[in-house]
Amino acid sequence: SQQGEEDPQALSIQEGENATMNCSYKTSINNLQWYRQNSGRGLVHLILIRSNEREKHSGRLRVTLDTSKKSSSLLITASRAADTASYFCATDNQAGTALIFGKGTTLSVSS
Amino acid sequence: GAGVSQSPRYKVAKRGQDVALRCDPISGHVSLFWYQQALGQGPEFLTYFQNEAQLDKSGLPSDRFFAERPEGSVSTLKIQRTQKEDSAVYLCASTLGTPYTEAFFGQGTRLTVV
Repeated sequence: SQQGEEDPQALSIQEGENATMNCSYKTSINNLQWYRQNSGRGLVHLILIRSNEREKHSGRLRVTLDTSKKSSSLLITASRAADTASYFCATDNQAGTALIFGKGTTLSVSS
Repeated sequence: GAGVSQSPRYKVAKRGQDVALRCDPISGHVSLFWYQQALGQGPEFLTYFQNEAQLDKSGLPSDRFFAERPEGSVSTLKIQRTQKEDSAVYLCASTLGTPYTEAFFGQGTRLTVV
């Protein structure tokens, strides 16, 4: 079963616009991670935010975490065509033995 | 190696055939995971190893699926008597320490059962 649920399922924007994706999860976590997957490729780690952090930045990425609402958001600013990919959030399971992924948001950035 | 390596990249199996998928994690990485990813879906957790110990196999869909990591490095996922519903991309990932850190993924093995 999947711990996280991303929203929206699909997002289409123009280059230069910002893209926001949300993730909700069900149980308490140690940290939350975001990954990107280009078509037909493996997943690439983007950013990790710990449960005691509220916001984290990495380049054009901004991640927030609200543990009271069990939700996180990923903001990509000034998007580029190369950002076109699927984005997944991942959290540890209750047993602490796995990273559990959501179903993902498919982002399409057109030039 | 520089990254997580999986082989083969593509595998076509006849229904009922046994298959073995290999994963070479990053050298020194303690944790290793296997995932199954259907088209348009997120990766579904299959199993987790910490060194050679299989600590979690709760995601294996049936007893036809078996994974091992005998020396705590290379891992093999074996699927016996493959069925059409086993068709998916099988992803392997490794982390330096616990599951709570950045995971490095291989390119995956695309299994098609005909």
